[in-house]
Amino acid sequence: GAGVSQTPSNKVTEKGKYVELRCDPISGHTALYWYRQSLGQGPEFLIYFQGTGAADDSGLPNDRFFAVRPEGSVSTLKIQRTERGDSAVYLCASSPTVRVGNTGELFFGEGSRLTVL
Amino acid sequence: AQSVTQLDSHVSVSEGTPVLLRCNYSSSYSPSLFWYVQHPNKGLQLLLKYTSAATLVKGINGFEAEFKKSETSFHLTKPSAHMSDAAEYFCVVSEIGATNKLIFGTGTLLAVQP
Repeated sequence: GAGVSQTPSNKVTEKGKYVELRCDPISGHTALYWYRQSLGQGPEFLIYFQGTGAADDSGLPNDRFFAVRPEGSVSTLKIQRTERGDSAVYLCASSPTVRVGNTGELFFGEGSRLTVL
Repeated sequence: AQSVTQLDSHVSVSEGTPVLLRCNYSSSYSPSLFWYVQHPNKGLQLLLKYTSAATLVKGINGFEAEFKKSETSFHLTKPSAHMSDAAEYFCVVSEIGATNKLIFGTGTLLAVQP
């Protein structure tokens, strides 16, 4: 597609349930990022993939969060045993180069809004 | 560690008047700095970037920002606001070393009054 696609756009779930959020990056982009944006805050880094491997997962808050990118394209963010504090907008972004510091341009999707009741 | 502080959570201007959104950064090294904009129900979009070239950076839609090392500032300006500029604006610094992690400020919500 033309841009980064995220599904679902909205997800409401109950505390304790398992959730998967999908990201389809721009074709050919090797780098993929997940960020989380809580209400009234800026996006916070979760994890970054270069190809199929997670190059930096230092932002994942705990072991309930996991992300995969098995074929180096689509990525899935998985959240186990969801808690009310997980409610946020989960943003995916992709980039054609790993050296974001030189270009600065991440291409963001519109996000998946997760609400945990 | 790098960080950015956006000094105003909300800014309101009248259409046709100048815009100033303030950002201060903290970095041990010469940083890469950016401004991103987020319109309602839209993805984040890069407005402009500073990467140690010219200190006055021009971006899209008439926005510009000036890197001032002595003041550790990277304020975003526009001479004349348009209604379509109403959005949330994020000042961003790139983490040194990793080169892949962007650190966002808390955002400034810009309202433009007719």
